[in-house]
Amino acid sequence: TQLLEQSPQFLSIQEGENLTVYCNSSSVFSSLQWYRQEPGEGPVLLVTVVTGGEVKKLKRLTFQFGDARKDSSLHITAAQPGDTGLYLCAGAPGSNYKLTFGKGTLLTVNP
Amino acid sequence: DTEVTQTPKHLVMGMTNKKSLKCEQHMGHRAMYWYKQKAKKPPELMFVYSYEKLSINESVPSRFSPECPNSSLLNLHLHALQPEDSALYLCASSQVSPEGPQHFGDGTRLSIL
Repeated sequence: TQLLEQSPQFLSIQEGENLTVYCNSSSVFSSLQWYRQEPGEGPVLLVTVVTGGEVKKLKRLTFQFGDARKDSSLHITAAQPGDTGLYLCAGAPGSNYKLTFGKGTLLTVNP
Repeated sequence: DTEVTQTPKHLVMGMTNKKSLKCEQHMGHRAMYWYKQKAKKPPELMFVYSYEKLSINESVPSRFSPECPNSSLLNLHLHALQPEDSALYLCASSQVSPEGPQHFGDGTRLSIL
């Protein structure tokens, strides 16, 4: 059973469109992280959400943490080709160093 | 520029070879990780070192042998690998906090012939 269910797995859109990626779990997380990985590179942390109901903005990216701290979403406004990459949500449900990743969303933004 | 440096970037080896992957960080992080990543999939945890001691081994085959010589360095020794071991191997580091963000290197692309 996947601890973090991420959807959609694949998304191909045109430049200028909006999109939302979801990360859901039946478990409570004390925090969730979002990473973006571009081809040939390692994942890069975009944001960490900690407080239930929290909303964080990073330019055209908006991140939400659900009130119950079981889910999170990433919304991109007016997507650009530079947003192309693998988006990963991750959380540490336990008191060790294991970060659990969702399956990832492979986003392609076409010019 | 990534703050976690991995070498080499690419490695091609035969199934009988012995090679090592290296990882270095100078952020003062005391937790370091090895992950394996297949194309278009999330990273899969292999090993975790905390304060230079192995704290997690995710049932990784013994042909992969990690080593942490000091708080800044992490090695992964490879021997008698199989073709299915071909993947991107990522190193990461973090503060000693299970919920803290991890900083990843750009990985070593490993191909087993």
